[in-house]
Amino acid sequence: EDQVTQSPEALRLQEGESSSLNCSYTVSGLRGLFWYRQDPGKGPEFLFTLYSAGEEKEKERLKATLTKKESFLHITAPKPEDSATYLCAVDGNTGKLIFGQGTTLQVKP
Amino acid sequence: DGGITQSPKYLFRKEGQNVTLSCEQNLNHDAMYWYRQDPGQGLRLIYYSQIVNDFQKGDIAEGYSVSREKKESFPLTVTSAQKNPTAFYLCASSIRRLSEAFFGQGTRLTVV
Repeated sequence: EDQVTQSPEALRLQEGESSSLNCSYTVSGLRGLFWYRQDPGKGPEFLFTLYSAGEEKEKERLKATLTKKESFLHITAPKPEDSATYLCAVDGNTGKLIFGQGTTLQVKP
Repeated sequence: DGGITQSPKYLFRKEGQNVTLSCEQNLNHDAMYWYRQDPGQGLRLIYYSQIVNDFQKGDIAEGYSVSREKKESFPLTVTSAQKNPTAFYLCASSIRRLSEAFFGQGTRLTVV
């Protein structure tokens, strides 16, 4: 059964304090891994797609990387506006997009 | 502007009543999805459709029904058989499988 686990569940950072969020996955055949950002009471907003181990994508202060077992979302020098819940999802052989529970990030000024 | 629209934003329902949540997209996407989100939990897949007139059950389909008669529309009916329907419901679409999904702003359903 396809499974996605994100850690930590919650993360508090000071502004400028870099860190990483983890997404571990178990799928029968990874077709794609997706990162989303979700603000309270809103729908998730697409950030990145990664397709193969070794791939990296960057957008402003965010960088996503992928290995055969996990993905990391690195946040460099975060700002308060980066506070949100970050969701990871995988598309395996089943054709379904399976989500992890998310990591809620709070960045304090 | 292209996008995916869910309505209504808030919905209240009495126990024992069926209710239908609307999801419309003008992105010309083939695939559409319905997810449920509960506090502290990730998104759980209810139903998905990869083409018109075809849909598959997700992980928590019991008590829900869908239709896909038009490419643009994928309504979700929450039936009285759903034991705990109070939740935040999210609809999404993607141009095809393996491409990023775009989400609507959600419908918060409360059973009173």
